[in-house]
Amino acid sequence: QQQVKQSPQSLIVQKGGISIINCAYENTAFDYFPWYQQFPGKGPALLIAIRPDVSEKKEGRFTISFNKSAKQFSLHIMDSQPGDSATYFCAASGSNDYKLSFGAGTTVTVRA
Amino acid sequence: DGGITQSPKYLFRKEGQNVTLSCEQNLNHDAMYWYRQDPGQGLRLIYYSQIVNDFQKGDIAEGYSVSREKKESFPLTVTSAQKNPTAFYLCASSIQARSTDTQYFGPGTRLTVL
Repeated sequence: QQQVKQSPQSLIVQKGGISIINCAYENTAFDYFPWYQQFPGKGPALLIAIRPDVSEKKEGRFTISFNKSAKQFSLHIMDSQPGDSATYFCAASGSNDYKLSFGAGTTVTVRA
Repeated sequence: DGGITQSPKYLFRKEGQNVTLSCEQNLNHDAMYWYRQDPGQGLRLIYYSQIVNDFQKGDIAEGYSVSREKKESFPLTVTSAQKNPTAFYLCASSIQARSTDTQYFGPGTRLTVL
């Protein structure tokens, strides 16, 4: 049973468009929410992370939005580029946890 | 270059055979992890180790075994007891076994059971 539910499973966006990936969780003890990016045949790499004391965090074209009351968080990829084509995983954990709970992943394809 | 190496990249195994996947890191990290990745299921934790000579079961440890005799090495054995071993296996490390420490992943090993 996945503790973090991620949607959509895949999406296609045109170059320059916005990609949006949503995640939801139930465990109110979760207070750390990272996103990992994985290119085909490679291991995932940390992209950006947020804690619930802020509602939004931006790093370049990547923005995490966090809604604590709804227990949801999302990744927005602005001005999507073909090089952004990858699988994106959201994850969550509590501060005292040893492990991350990962979402199922979203495969993003950016068409030129 | 600092990082995590996994070998082999592709591995084929006959049913009933044990197989060992290698994971080495030169990041001087204390914690190491093994994940299994299946399509549509994200990453699931198999085992993790906080320190040398110590390791703990993750969510799906049945049919797997590990050892941690050296800080830089954390091999995973997929035993014949693992009923559905075909998957992509990822090794990771972090400074310590805290979820808020960034996990650095290796390139993975794709295991196929014939």
